[in-house]
This record gives sequence, C-alpha cells and structure tokens, in this order.
Amino acid sequence: SQQGEEDPQALSIQEGENATMNCSYKTSINNLQWYRQNSGRGLVHLILIRSNEREKHSGRLRVTLDTSKKSSSLLITASRAADTASYFCATDNQGGKLIFGQGTELSVKP
Amino acid sequence: DTAVSQTPKYLVTQMGNDKSIKCEQNLGHDTMYWYKQDSKKFLKIMFSYNNKELIINETVPNRFSPKSPDKAHLNLHINSLELGDSAVYFCASSRPLAAGSYEQYFGPGTRLTVT
Repeated sequence: SQQGEEDPQALSIQEGENATMNCSYKTSINNLQWYRQNSGRGLVHLILIRSNEREKHSGRLRVTLDTSKKSSSLLITASRAADTASYFCATDNQGGKLIFGQGTELSVKP
Repeated sequence: DTAVSQTPKYLVTQMGNDKSIKCEQNLGHDTMYWYKQDSKKFLKIMFSYNNKELIINETVPNRFSPKSPDKAHLNLHINSLELGDSAVYFCASSRPLAAGSYEQYFGPGTRLTVT
C-alpha cells in the first residue's frame, strides 16, 4: 500500500523563488528519503533524514521531519530552471524497502 | 562508467509474448531491486535481492520472475505479457548506510509498452 502522500501534486514557480514540498506518511519509519526524477530518467537520491533527526541541510536543500505528525517537507531555496523535475519522498521502515509517495512535479520558469 | 545500467531502454511487444529486462550495477552493492512506475508516476517495489538471495517479493503476478546470476546483475523476465504490464521498470541498487539506512541508486529505466 502507498505510504507517502505528497502535496502539492504540482508546483510552478519563478526562478529564484523557494519551493516547498510536503510529504505525509502512515506508519513508523527508520528514515525518510527524498529523490528527484528528471523527465525520462531514473531517480536520484537527494537527502536522507533519520527518524531521530528533525532537520537536515544539503546545499540549497532543507529537509524537516516531524515524526509526531508523520510528515516531512523539502525546501529548495533560490530555485533554478534545472530544478524542474518530479520530487518523491520515500519512507524506509524495514531496512531497505522504500515506499514512495506519488511525487510533486516542480516546474521552475526562467 | 555508468553506475546502474538497464537494457533495453525501450521495449514494445505484443500481448502474450515473453520478454526480459537486464540490469547491471558496477557499484559493488550487495542489494538490488526492481520497481514498476505506472503512468501516474507511482513507483512500487517489486523485488529485492541481497547477494543473489531474494529478500523482498511483493504481491506481483508470478508471470514476473527475477533472476540474479551474481550480485552485480538482476534480470527480470516477464511471461505472457498483458496490457497492464505497460509501465517503466526501474532497477536500483543500494549499499547499507549506518543504522540500517539504504540510499538507492537507480538505473535509467526500461519503458515497456504492450500492444
């Protein structure tokens, strides 16, 4: 069954703006991961946050995790046209078995 | 120096045929996976092998049979193809990170179209 649900399903912003995507899940997790998928390509791992962490940064990416609300958010700051892609959250609660959300399609207009 | 590769990239075939998709990783990972992504981009795990041993087998029709000849290869054979099998199939591999966390590396995908 689907674990993660993401919103919004689609997001369109101008270059330079920030983009925030949210993910909610249902069961307890070991960690939560975010992936990017460019059109016609495979998924690329962006960042992993463990269940005992609340916030993590990687370059222009900031991920938060609230296990009490079973939710996570991905913030991309100062977006670029090259950030246009689908973004997926994935939860890991059984050591390697990732369950993906349906993704957010981000469009960054130059 | 492709990390996870799949062949073919596109596969168009008729209902009832049998086809195979091959996957190879040169990352030295022990664990490999097959995922199916449908037309709505929903990505679902199908199988996982750890060092040639099947460890995850989701509720997938038994027309789908994975085979791992060695830990660098994981192939997917599909018998009696049906229209609903049309999707993009992704192979992935992973190394274990600390404390049971697994970052996965994905191949480019195989777009299967059954007519």
